[in-house]
Amino acid sequence: QKEVEQNSGPLSVPEGAIASLNCTYSDRVSQSFFWYRQYSGKSPELIMSIYSNGDKEDGRFTAQLNKASQYVSLLIRDSQPSDSATYLCAVYTGNQFYFGTGTSLTVIP
Amino acid sequence: EAGVAQSPRYKIIEKRQSVAFWCNPISGHATLYWYQQILGQGPKLLIQFQNNGVVDDSQLPKDRFSAERLKGVDSTLKIQPAKLEDSAVYLCASSSRQGGSYEQYFGPGTRLTVT
Repeated sequence: QKEVEQNSGPLSVPEGAIASLNCTYSDRVSQSFFWYRQYSGKSPELIMSIYSNGDKEDGRFTAQLNKASQYVSLLIRDSQPSDSATYLCAVYTGNQFYFGTGTSLTVIP
Repeated sequence: EAGVAQSPRYKIIEKRQSVAFWCNPISGHATLYWYQQILGQGPKLLIQFQNNGVVDDSQLPKDRFSAERLKGVDSTLKIQPAKLEDSAVYLCASSSRQGGSYEQYFGPGTRLTVT
């Protein structure tokens, strides 16, 4: 079982819709959770971090964490074509960082 | 604030040759990471430094990969000898760890092609 699992997609949403990206992790002691955006040929860019259960909002982005279910998600409201990228979920267990394989998102104009 | 710097940006070598990558983290960031990202996969941590000490190198193929961070600032990652499967993007990241934050910031990466 992989440490961090994401649906690889591709996920396609129309412009203006809500994109929902999901991530599950296996280590119950994981304490820090991150979402990175990676455009093709570029390096990952941090867009959200979340450390406690519940929701965290930043502009059009909302991260949701449920430690009991070992689940973290990212919602992108009012999706724009510029949001088209691969979204990486990352988890810090207290010892190591693990990244998922990423979900490819395409926002259709 | 300047970001994480890496060089070279691209490198093409033949198998069995050696190669070195350089990284300069964000000023003041004590923690430095080297990742390997193979096309279509997420980044895989190779080694983590805290200042000039190694925190975790459990996934570093030590028979061919080595890394150092002298003086606790910039770092080099070396591969010797390279194999075809080493073709990947090598990413350097840094974090400050201040206030319990583990947010990492990545450099532009070095794309390595082994032929």
